[in-house]
Amino acid sequence: GESVGLHLPTLSVQEGDNSIINCAYSNSASDYFIWYKQESGKGPQFIIDIRSNMDKRQGQRVTVLLNKTVKHLSLQIAATQPGDSAVYFCAESLSGGYNKLIFGAGTRLAVHP
Amino acid sequence: ETGVTQSPTHLIKTRGQQVTLRCSSQSGHNTVSWYQQALGQGPQFIFQYYREEENGRGNFPPRFSGLQFPNYSSELNVNALELDDSALYLCASSLVGKGTGELFFGEGSRLTVL
Repeated sequence: GESVGLHLPTLSVQEGDNSIINCAYSNSASDYFIWYKQESGKGPQFIIDIRSNMDKRQGQRVTVLLNKTVKHLSLQIAATQPGDSAVYFCAESLSGGYNKLIFGAGTRLAVHP
Repeated sequence: ETGVTQSPTHLIKTRGQQVTLRCSSQSGHNTVSWYQQALGQGPQFIFQYYREEENGRGNFPPRFSGLQFPNYSSELNVNALELDDSALYLCASSLVGKGTGELFFGEGSRLTVL
């Protein structure tokens, strides 16, 4: 069925370390994937996206890796900062765009000084 | 800030009542999507409106309905409220037809059903 899940519900890291948040998706037909960050009391905020014809995409301090063979998605955050503390969601789309996104349950990232 | 505003921010209703939530999209955006986010879970797609017509719907019953107006603002209506409807309702606007159609979310309307 259509589902997006996460391996770790909570991730605690030290400030300055690199963080890796993982996500498994079940629908091999999904062709577009997005990572969102949600801070307390706010709506999800776009971080980075990747299409199924790519394996890796880099942004500012973030990298998304896509492994279609095992249907796995990861978000790497370099030099994690206290401001990175939030819940992170991966989302998938079957339509190649932002219509009808399927979100996972989320991973809470806690950054300790 | 995304430029997407939602109202009200918080409201409390009782079972069986009806509720209307409102969303003003970011300037220039022509598409509005609504999501329901239960506590501790990821958002779930309710429906999307494009040029005042429904353009995709998730697994929600007909008592969830919506409207999009000529200025692209939108309403979400929920009839016969149930306890499980308690959630954060998120509106997201986008510009379909140009660019990526990236979603810009508002801060949500927190609905509590007693």
